[in-house]
Amino acid sequence: GNSVTQMEGPVTLSEEAFLTINCTYTATGYPSLFWYVQYPGEGLQLLLKATKADDKGSNKGFEATYRKETTSFHLEKGSVQVSDSAVYFCALSDQDDYKLSFGAGTTVTVRA
Amino acid sequence: DTAVSQTPKYLVTQMGNDKSIKCEQNLGHDTMYWYKQDSKKFLKIMFSYNNKELIINETVPNRFSPKSPDKAHLNLHINSLELGDSAVYFCASSQLVGQTEAFFGQGTRLTVV
Repeated sequence: GNSVTQMEGPVTLSEEAFLTINCTYTATGYPSLFWYVQYPGEGLQLLLKATKADDKGSNKGFEATYRKETTSFHLEKGSVQVSDSAVYFCALSDQDDYKLSFGAGTTVTVRA
Repeated sequence: DTAVSQTPKYLVTQMGNDKSIKCEQNLGHDTMYWYKQDSKKFLKIMFSYNNKELIINETVPNRFSPKSPDKAHLNLHINSLELGDSAVYFCASSQLVGQTEAFFGQGTRLTVV
């Protein structure tokens, strides 16, 4: 079955630092890959996505590239802000799977 | 306009009670889901519905019963609540099964005392 392994947190950074959250996946088919963000007390929001190999998703300064050869979809941001403090989830889905499979989530705290 | 709305946002109840959580989406999506998020933020799929038909039931106790009166609604009824049911429950919807992103509601924080 499909599964997602995500870098464990928590991660604490200073403002303007570089952020990387590692994500690798196992899938039988050709999945779409997603990063979701959950701000405190809120639901999940889609941050970015990629639907095929070598696609790069980007949004709000965050980027992730779909790497089929390494089955990875690492999230990066060059300069984080306090407002980026949240829980980040890597996820995948494919046409044969009637759900999103999520990683365990990584809590990121950015200090001023 | 809220895309996926669930009510109530908070629910505190005693063990043994029966409670329901309602979910509605106005996106015209065919697929709806219930997820459970535990205290460590781990998200686990509970149910998936496509066009009002149950397509996933992930080893959820039968005290949990989803009901989809139409494609825009997916409610969750829980009988005989237990302490271990305390969690945040998220409703979500997507246009297609697989390959597309899901839109999530704000969550219902259920506390069983």
